[in-house]
Amino acid sequence: RKEVEQDPGPFNVPEGATVAFNCTYSNSASQSFFWYRQDCRKEPKLLMSVYSSGNEDGRFTAQLNRASQYISLLIRDSKLSDSATYLCVVDVQTGANNLFFGTGTRLTVIP
Amino acid sequence: DAGVIQSPRHEVTEMGQEVTLRCKPISGHDYLFWYRQTMMRGLELLIYFNNNVPIDDSGMPEDRFSAKMPNASFSTLKIQPSEPRDSAVYFCASSLAGGPGEQFFGPGTRLTVL
Repeated sequence: RKEVEQDPGPFNVPEGATVAFNCTYSNSASQSFFWYRQDCRKEPKLLMSVYSSGNEDGRFTAQLNRASQYISLLIRDSKLSDSATYLCVVDVQTGANNLFFGTGTRLTVIP
Repeated sequence: DAGVIQSPRHEVTEMGQEVTLRCKPISGHDYLFWYRQTMMRGLELLIYFNNNVPIDDSGMPEDRFSAKMPNASFSTLKIQPSEPRDSAVYFCASSLAGGPGEQFFGPGTRLTVL
């Protein structure tokens, strides 16, 4: 069983739409959670951390549900520039800095 | 300030040849990671170092793979002999102190083994 599982998509949405991605993780002891963004043929970059209380950064909202072991990312008013692959990332061992990456969910925002 | 630097950016080689990938982490970062990314398996951690010391190499697929970090500013990942199934994008990343935190990735090396 994979540590982190995501729907690979693709998600094709029109500009201005709201889109949500979910990700599940298998290790209930996981402590830290992140969303990374990866543009086509580029390296992954941190988009945002996911806190237990949920957190928002502009049009992006991340939420954590420990009971169900899933993480979500909501993008409001999507822009063409949001087109990318979004990677769900889990740190399963506090202090070891050992991150497990999901295979990513591909988003295309259509004009 | 320069980010993580990797070389070469592209490598095409024939099965059986030795391949060496290079990485220069961000100055001052204590941790260095080597990842491999494929369409089928996504991003997989191969090995990581803390202060130049290998901490966890359980992700290294087999003995054909080896990694070194002779000093704080340089690391290599070597594949000998290379096989077609090694074709992937190899990323190097670095981060500050341990625990959860942002990892900064290099641009990657796209390896094709024919």
